Amino acid sequence: DAGITQSPRHKVTETGTPVTLRCHQTENHRYMYWYRQDPGHGLRLIHYSYGVKDTDKGEVSDGYSVSRSKTEDFLLTLESATSSQTSVYFCATGGQGPDTQYFGPGTRLTVL
Amino acid sequence: DAKTTQPTSMDCAEGRAANLPCNHSTISGNEYVYWYRQIHSQGPQYIIHGLKNNETNEMASLIITEDRKSSTLILPHATLRDTAVYYCIVRVAGSSGSARQLTFGSGTQLTVLP
Repeated sequence: DAGITQSPRHKVTETGTPVTLRCHQTENHRYMYWYRQDPGHGLRLIHYSYGVKDTDKGEVSDGYSVSRSKTEDFLLTLESATSSQTSVYFCATGGQGPDTQYFGPGTRLTVL
Repeated sequence: DAKTTQPTSMDCAEGRAANLPCNHSTISGNEYVYWYRQIHSQGPQYIIHGLKNNETNEMASLIITEDRKSSTLILPHATLRDTAVYYCIVRVAGSSGSARQLTFGSGTQLTVLP
């Protein structure tokens, strides 16, 4: 599997506070993605990146922002966390070729 | 992306082959079949993909029917660690932008029994 790490792995925070999740990859993959997974909804794309400083919105981007200043790092920020953002967040990477995606271990976020 | 249909759950004895079916009768000529799995509390894991020919890698084999309307993922010697939800996804390869999003359906819960 691609070397993908996510930090933190678990976080509990309060409503209204900003939260930043980090995804780090060692495979030099061009594409990076942030998904959230919730019961009954499956995986939903929040934002994705197709290169350094090149990002775009996914299906459920409201309340989230991202940044990618280096190939290896993709940050997801919840500008003002809400209880509806309690979820498991997965980062994924993908190269240009076979269109496969490799997922990180996930971050479990709880917003109280 | 074409719609896929998978059984909700399957059991398999440890050491035996696990054969997971997927129907994709509306698949288009430029759509690939991808298989992923998700072990409980872990991130999804890519397994294999194919267009029309059968494919094999170190994890599994993928058998695609000649009319491409269905496929079967084969785990040749299932172990307890193969217990997971298996997802069959049909999509055009090389999509750009948000079309690269993977859409996971309900999948098949495979339980490998000792």
